Amino acid sequence: AQKVTQAQTEISVVEKEDVTLDCVYETRDTTYYLFWYKQPPSGELVFLIRRNSFDEQNEISGRYSWNFQKSTSSFNFTITASQVVDSAVYFCALRLVFGTGTRLLVSP
Amino acid sequence: DAGVTQSPTHLIKTRGQQVTLRCSPKSGHDTVSWYQQALGQGPQFIFQYYEEEERQRGNFPDRFSGHQFPNYSSELNVNALLLGDSALYLCASSPGWTSGGRVQYFGPGTRLTVT
Repeated sequence: AQKVTQAQTEISVVEKEDVTLDCVYETRDTTYYLFWYKQPPSGELVFLIRRNSFDEQNEISGRYSWNFQKSTSSFNFTITASQVVDSAVYFCALRLVFGTGTRLLVSP
Repeated sequence: DAGVTQSPTHLIKTRGQQVTLRCSPKSGHDTVSWYQQALGQGPQFIFQYYEEEERQRGNFPDRFSGHQFPNYSSELNVNALLLGDSALYLCASSPGWTSGGRVQYFGPGTRLTVT
């Protein structure tokens, strides 16, 4: 069975702080895909990033970066210089299985 | 380019009734998945349709059924509604089918309240 754990229920930061959202996954598959989605207050989930299991290169895209480590089954997501508009619930997903989400509150 | 659309936006039903939710995928997408999201929880995968067939199913009872039409749109049917079925129902579409490897584009959801 596949499982995604997001241990951080809620994180509060002040604008311009960096914030890292943790994600730990479990799977017996050798090939798999990991995703991060954002759900703003409007409710519609928005795709952020995708990583496949055979590419462990970490990347940066604008203010977003992610750290994929197969050895620890972790796929952490970092927002640099957070902004108020980043306030949302962030979900990590392993294929079709979602975690419980981390609510990020960015205050001015 | 229209995104994923869902109807209705909100729905109130009584226990024991049946409900049908509808979804039109993003243009160019042929795979549709349905999720249930209870308040404060992550989306729970219900099932996925591709080529008018159910390809994968999550841990949901047979009361939850679906259909995909030749134009790729889809319906989710829930019979014998329970109070616990109250949730936001999300539809997601993707191009092609690779057992969960594609990026999914989500609709705004249908908020179902069972009284």
